[in-house]
Amino acid sequence: DAGVIQSPRHEVTEMGQEVTLRCKPISGHDYLFWYRQTMMRGLELLIYFNNNVPIDDSGMPEDRFSAKMPNASFSTLKIQPSEPRDSAVYFCASSPGLAGSTDTQYFGPGTRLTVL
Amino acid sequence: GDSVTQMEGPVTLSEEAFLTINCTYTATGYPSLFWYVQYPGEGLQLLLKATKADDKGSNKGFEATYRKETTSFHLEKGSVQVSDSAVYFCALKNTGTASKLTFGTGTRLQVTL
Repeated sequence: DAGVIQSPRHEVTEMGQEVTLRCKPISGHDYLFWYRQTMMRGLELLIYFNNNVPIDDSGMPEDRFSAKMPNASFSTLKIQPSEPRDSAVYFCASSPGLAGSTDTQYFGPGTRLTVL
Repeated sequence: GDSVTQMEGPVTLSEEAFLTINCTYTATGYPSLFWYVQYPGEGLQLLLKATKADDKGSNKGFEATYRKETTSFHLEKGSVQVSDSAVYFCALKNTGTASKLTFGTGTRLQVTL
């Protein structure tokens, strides 16, 4: 299996621009998670989906952030407009859910976002 | 709510030294406990896990025992290598929270020759 795939790996943009991060979970996994990692705040859960439905978005920092999962093999995290304080590494992770072990999350390599 | 507390880093050790990274948790119910490792420039990987009290998780020479009486899950390794340099995260998943994990803040380990 290819594992969780994220794109792009690095993104540099200017303040005010729209940013879209993409994730392809492991095939057959029912859960998908978006995390943000910074030196100051550590690893934060932003939102997670079960069977393409958002379950908990309480970690989304503000309305500038939105996430979608149009099908089982694709999810996006969008920031519009972006701000310098959004600079971080964004991770996507997936988990098998009820069909397998619900305990283990498999992380992608992350997208390093820099907002100038 | 659920929470995980890890010892502050960075931890700096010489190769072949003994490693302990402390982790304690607060949770209702009967959580599963995990250690994840993040190597430089990579995502987190599951290192080991334990799903009930007194279970011992082990992998790659690392061990951790689920101690319900002390609400702890300390990570140990008898002899660290330079290649073990990474950030280690303790985490828990509580019953009834689907796959949602609660992570600690991470502990950076630096192993030198």
